[in-house]
Amino acid sequence: KAGVTQTPRYLIKTRGQQVTLSCSPISGHRSVSWYQQTPGQGLQFLFEYFSETQRNKGNFPGRFSGRQFSNSRSEMNVSTLELGDSALYLCASSRVGETNEKLFFGSGTQLSVL
Amino acid sequence: AQTVTQSQPEMSVQEAETVTLSCTYDTSESDYYLFWYKQPPSRQMILVIRQEAYKQQNATENRFSVNFQKAAKSFSLKISDSQLGDAAMYFCAYGYNFNKFYFGSGTKLNVKP
Repeated sequence: KAGVTQTPRYLIKTRGQQVTLSCSPISGHRSVSWYQQTPGQGLQFLFEYFSETQRNKGNFPGRFSGRQFSNSRSEMNVSTLELGDSALYLCASSRVGETNEKLFFGSGTQLSVL
Repeated sequence: AQTVTQSQPEMSVQEAETVTLSCTYDTSESDYYLFWYKQPPSRQMILVIRQEAYKQQNATENRFSVNFQKAAKSFSLKISDSQLGDAAMYFCAYGYNFNKFYFGSGTKLNVKP
């Protein structure tokens, strides 16, 4: 069974650009959530999708958005990039998104904003 | 607001010894879940152990066990018989609402041979 796949692994952008990150969950998983990880900050919740609907959202500005497709694949988009957006972006999937479910994480996309 | 605090940025343990990682959290909820995740250099987070707040019995998974003190809002992880493969970042996490988890800032565990 393939794991959670995130593409690309690394990305370099400049301030003001926009970026789209992709996440393919484990087959059969319908919940996909996104986290931003920065050194010393741990992981911060961005949003969670289930059946193409955003069910939960973290405290990030509107420049951060996401969507989920009918095959459960998810994308997140960051517009007007800022230096502070440099981070590891992790995607996680679970079967239906119940809190007691085990999350399966991808290896992340490392975004560097210059 | 929910917060998770890991006060030990880095710890070291001798191979085969026991180490305890600390975690405290703040919440007004009564029913929630607590987790410890491990992040090796590959960056892929792996679930180590899970605890339901309504269960008084501490969770155990082989060499990993927790000390859950609900009243004190404390959730520490004990690793027994430490192995070189245990070296990683360890994150404590709290969750109560559809995969919206709050993570601590992490503890880097070094295992010395």
